[in-house]
Amino acid sequence: NAGVTQTPKFRVLKTGQSMTLLCAQDMNHEYMYWYRQDPGMGLRLIHYSVGEGTTAKGEVPDGYNVSRLKKQNFLLGLESAAPSQTSVYFCASRPSGGPSYNEQFFGPGTRLTVL
Amino acid sequence: QKEVEQDPGPLSVPEGAIVSLNCTYSNSAFQYFMWYRQYSRKGPELLMYTYSSGNKEDGRFTAQVDKSSKYISLFIRDSQPSDSATYLCAMSTIQGAQKLVFGQGTRLTINP
Repeated sequence: NAGVTQTPKFRVLKTGQSMTLLCAQDMNHEYMYWYRQDPGMGLRLIHYSVGEGTTAKGEVPDGYNVSRLKKQNFLLGLESAAPSQTSVYFCASRPSGGPSYNEQFFGPGTRLTVL
Repeated sequence: QKEVEQDPGPLSVPEGAIVSLNCTYSNSAFQYFMWYRQYSRKGPELLMYTYSSGNKEDGRFTAQVDKSSKYISLFIRDSQPSDSATYLCAMSTIQGAQKLVFGQGTRLTINP
């Protein structure tokens, strides 16, 4: 049981390049989330999904797109990277019921630098 | 003004001390309150969860919520070096989608 995994772990991009971050969970969770963490800012919600085929905007969605074609995967895309998107990105998942209903399970993070 | 304010520290205390971590918030609609612990270069993990006002205890950890003051606290008793981490408060208005709003995080070091 791997939990929540994120690919890649590190990435350096040049301004204007595009990339996709992959989040995968093997816990059959309905809810999935993408956050970014910046120094002095805590975690901020970018986009989230309440189930397969659904996505919704969070607090800071501009410059990002997401897709949830399969229940276990949640992809975060940067179409044209900017230096302001340099951050650590965390994915999380959460079940729709049961004893862990209140808990978001986080992945290990992806460190992205945009030059 | 941020919706959730948390003193970023850093906070350094000797082993065995009682630690108090706090957050204030401005949105009176918040009803679900959480504390997450994040070790260096790792993802956050849930430490405590409380609903509405009151206290909740789990071993050496106690979470308090005072909705009238819009103030939440996490107390750590008999602190250990393994408690050294960043502690993030988080809260949400409804439980369905659980759109969490996090504080900035407090970096805590327990010195042996």
